[in-house]
Amino acid sequence: EDQVTQSPEALRLQEGESSSLNCSYTVSGLRGLFWYRQDPGKGPEFLFTLYSAGEEKEKERLKATLTKKESFLHITAPKPEDSATYLCAVQALTGGGNKLTFGTGTQLKVEL
Amino acid sequence: DGGITQSPKYLFRKEGQNVTLSCEQNLNHDAMYWYRQDPGQGLRLIYYSQIVNDFQKGDIAEGYSVSREKKESFPLTVTSAQKNPTAFYLCAVSGRETQYFGPGTRLLVL
Repeated sequence: EDQVTQSPEALRLQEGESSSLNCSYTVSGLRGLFWYRQDPGKGPEFLFTLYSAGEEKEKERLKATLTKKESFLHITAPKPEDSATYLCAVQALTGGGNKLTFGTGTQLKVEL
Repeated sequence: DGGITQSPKYLFRKEGQNVTLSCEQNLNHDAMYWYRQDPGQGLRLIYYSQIVNDFQKGDIAEGYSVSREKKESFPLTVTSAQKNPTAFYLCAVSGRETQYFGPGTRLLVL
């Protein structure tokens, strides 16, 4: 069974204080690992897809990396508007429907 | 994603009542999904459809039903058999890179 574990559950940072969110996964062959951002009361917003170990992707203050067992979302010099819940999901090579398995998310709060 | 609409934003259900959540897309994608989100839990797959007139159960299909008569539409009915329906319901479509989500419907029980 595919599993995704995210840590920490919640993170509070000061503006400009860089940090990383972790996503550990077990999957029977990885097709892709996905990061989303979710604001309260809204649908998840797609950030990145990573396909193979060693791959990195960046968008503004966010950088996602991937190893064979985990992914990190690095946040450099965060701003209050980066406050949100960050979700990680995996998609297996096998199984129908291109289904995603999600973690429970990391709730990030960036304070002035 | 601006091409996915869900309605209503809030929905109230009385005991024993069936209610239907709407999901429409204008992105011309074949695959559509319904997820349920509860506090402290990851998104859980209810049903998915990869093509018109075909759909498959996800991990928590009991108490729910769907139809896929048109490519653009994938409505979800929460039946009276679903004993704990209070949740945030999310519709998604499968795009080039990943699944893209609608804005969600919050279902509350009166």
